[in-house]
Amino acid sequence: GIQVEQSPPDLILQEGANSTLRCNFSDSVNNLQWFHQNPWGQLINLFYIPSGTKQNGRLSATTVATERYSLLYISSSQTTDSGVYFCAQEGGGADGLTFGKGTHLIIQP
Amino acid sequence: EAQVTQNPRYLITVTGKKLTVTCSQNMNHEYMSWYRQDPGLGLRQIYYSMNVEVTDKGDVPEGYKVSRKEKRNFPLILESPSPNQTSLYFCASSHAHRGPEAFFGQGTRLTVV
Repeated sequence: GIQVEQSPPDLILQEGANSTLRCNFSDSVNNLQWFHQNPWGQLINLFYIPSGTKQNGRLSATTVATERYSLLYISSSQTTDSGVYFCAQEGGGADGLTFGKGTHLIIQP
Repeated sequence: EAQVTQNPRYLITVTGKKLTVTCSQNMNHEYMSWYRQDPGLGLRQIYYSMNVEVTDKGDVPEGYKVSRKEKRNFPLILESPSPNQTSLYFCASSHAHRGPEAFFGQGTRLTVV
């Protein structure tokens, strides 16, 4: 089945720092999405980005479908950015999203 | 406000006692699904539904049932819960099968003792 690999697995940064999270796919990109799971467990959809670049405030994402990877950029990190960031795409399972194992981000004040 | 609502948020139950986790969405989405999240295993799909009265198994359906009698509701039923079903459960919906973006409920943390 499809493999979704995320890096780094863990990241600790000081408030105000910038970061780049990466997601690699073993198969062609299909309905790629980025999610943030906050410390309370909620999963928030950040971007639907099968290709190209999108920006939403301090967050932006780029997917290069031909090279099977996607990047999530977080600028000027805030403590509220802490949590786990997942990328996911369709395929792999019976139907639905296949998730990576996530990047656990801690932003220290 | 567009949202997916799950209830309850937290539940502790005993082995064998039937329970239902409700899921409701107000976005008129056709596609709904259930996932469970476990440490080291990530999120895995349990069941999905492409529309009313259309449901199918995901990757880990054993021990679960679902129904889709109305478009907005997609309950998850555990007929005889066991400790290995202790997990964090998420309901999700999207406009159509295979996209675009998926919206997730707040999660239900279930403990079976």
